[in-house]
Amino acid sequence: DAGVIQSPRHEVTEMGQEVTLRCKPISGHNSLFWYRQTMMRGLELLIYFNNNVPIDDSGMPEDRFSAKMPNASFSTLKIQPSEPRDSAVYFCASSRDIGTQYFGPGTRLLVL
Amino acid sequence: TQLLEQSPQFLSIQEGENLTVYCNSSSVFSSLQWYRQEPGEGPVLLVTVVTGGEVKKLKRLTFQFGDARKDSSLHITAAQPGDTGLYLCAGARGGTYKYIFGTGTRLKVLA
Repeated sequence: DAGVIQSPRHEVTEMGQEVTLRCKPISGHNSLFWYRQTMMRGLELLIYFNNNVPIDDSGMPEDRFSAKMPNASFSTLKIQPSEPRDSAVYFCASSRDIGTQYFGPGTRLLVL
Repeated sequence: TQLLEQSPQFLSIQEGENLTVYCNSSSVFSSLQWYRQEPGEGPVLLVTVVTGGEVKKLKRLTFQFGDARKDSSLHITAAQPGDTGLYLCAGARGGTYKYIFGTGTRLKVLA
């Protein structure tokens, strides 16, 4: 069975550019999470969706970050405009309700 | 403020040695999880503990949740190179989705 799929795996962009990260959760999972991992701050929850509805976006750093989940099989995390301090690995995870979270392989973002 | 501190931060040992990793907090958690993350991959859940004093074993790995549910330990017996990775603890309060992750312990087991 396919796990959580994220794309792209690596992204290098210049400051000020728009970045869109994509996630396909495991089929049948109704909860989706976006996390960010950095050396300084570790793994942080950015936003949590349940049944495609954003439930908790308190971890979203600022207005430059936005996330959508138009249907049960797709979510995006957008950064506009991007800044060097946004450089990190971004993970998507999915679960059935608040059960075990399964993480994707991550997108490694570098903003120059 | 980092709620979950892990120690040691880095650990390099020889194959066959035993080791213990600690996860400490001043906060009480209703449940605590341990993950292992390999380079270029996402974290993978190893175990969830929910009862104070609970001990769970997973082959050579033994997990313990502190009596007061503020701390946890992971003990690995006879470490193998395949145990190499970043070990993360994560705590949640209440029956919630919101796990706070620890600072991590990076383990390297040398053959």
